[in-house]
Formats: sequence, structure tokens, C-alpha cells
Amino acid sequence: DAGVIQSPRHEVTEMGQEVTLRCKPISGHNSLFWYRQTMMRGLELLIYFNNNVPIDDSGMPEDRFSAKMPNASFSTLKIQPSEPRDSAVYFCAIAINEKLFFGSGTQLSVL
Amino acid sequence: GIQVEQSPPDLILQEGANSTLRCNFSDSVNNLQWFHQNPWGQLINLFYIPSGTKQNGRLSATTVATERYSLLYISSSQTTDSGVYFCAVYDYKLSFGAGTTVTVRA
Repeated sequence: DAGVIQSPRHEVTEMGQEVTLRCKPISGHNSLFWYRQTMMRGLELLIYFNNNVPIDDSGMPEDRFSAKMPNASFSTLKIQPSEPRDSAVYFCAIAINEKLFFGSGTQLSVL
Repeated sequence: GIQVEQSPPDLILQEGANSTLRCNFSDSVNNLQWFHQNPWGQLINLFYIPSGTKQNGRLSATTVATERYSLLYISSSQTTDSGVYFCAVYDYKLSFGAGTTVTVRA
């Protein structure tokens, strides 16, 4: 689905470094979600925003993770400091009339 | 939260075969969606189907909300249908099942 642009597509970093993942959704959405996908845990919701306001961040693993949505067309997910267990694919998704559309994801590897 | 169970976990098909994937959920929902994750990792929304039946080419889906299940039908399967099929239900957030991995062999 071309409505959500994520960057970078791949990120390789060393343990302890700060990582910032970016999401640029098209207009027309009312909610934005960050998901993480791993083999062990499948697709997990980390946080979601409604009208740019964080509504539920109960899925954020710990304080090392933070997310912002300064406007309707941009969101970031930051991990500081990163750890090897954060290695996963991170997806941004938007809801338009409750139908979800995903970006292509960011493959994060923390060495 | 709502529990979502998908079956079977894995499915191997010969090209041209038909198949049915099932999704059971533990509570009433007013929003159910099916997704296909292709071998490159991209997640594509196939259906938004809180109830009833919808068709999209060789794929169709039926949700019986009162009995808390949904079915995804693949007819005349092709190798491009390979990937993982996820069911997701929405209460205040979208919760995903573990998926069914489909492999279509030529």
C-alpha cells in the first residue's frame, strides 16, 4: 500500500546507539499505529495516535522506546539506547475509516 | 484483550487448488480485516469484513460475527498467493492472529 512511506528500509546499528525510524503517511487518515514484528511474538502494537495524540502506548516495551507525531504527515519511533533484542521489523500503519494500511516496514538489526 | 486464533498454521497447496483459512475470535467485534504478507514482507489489506461476504478476484471472505469466526477462501491458487495470511480484529486497537503460512507449489 503506497499511502505510508517508511524510512529507512534497513537499519543496522550497534548496541547502545540511538535509532530513529520515520513514517510519512498520506492525508485522510485519522489514526496512526506503530507495530513491531518478530518471529517469536508476531505482530505487536507498540503505540497508536488518534488525531496526532498518543492514545495507547501500553505496548511500548520500556522507557527506551518513545514515539512522536508532531503533525498529521509525520511520525517517529525512537529507541535509545538500542539493544540486540530490539531487532525486528517495525511497521507504521494508518487507519482510514477503520481500514488499516501498512508501510513497507523498517528492518532493524542491532548488533 | 480479544484473542484471535488462526488455523491451520501452515498450508501447502498445489497450484490450482482451493483452500479455506479460518479465524476465530474470543469476543464480539465490529471490525475484522484480512491481510496478506508477501514473501518480501509487505502487508496488504485484503478485506475489511465485519460481517457478511465479500469477493475480490479469486479471494473471498465470510464473517459470521454472531459465531465469532471468519473464513478466507482462496480459489484456483497461484504461486503469487504464497505468504502469510493474517486475521485482525479491532476493539479499540487492531489485534492480530499468528497467521497462516501458505505455500503454493507450481
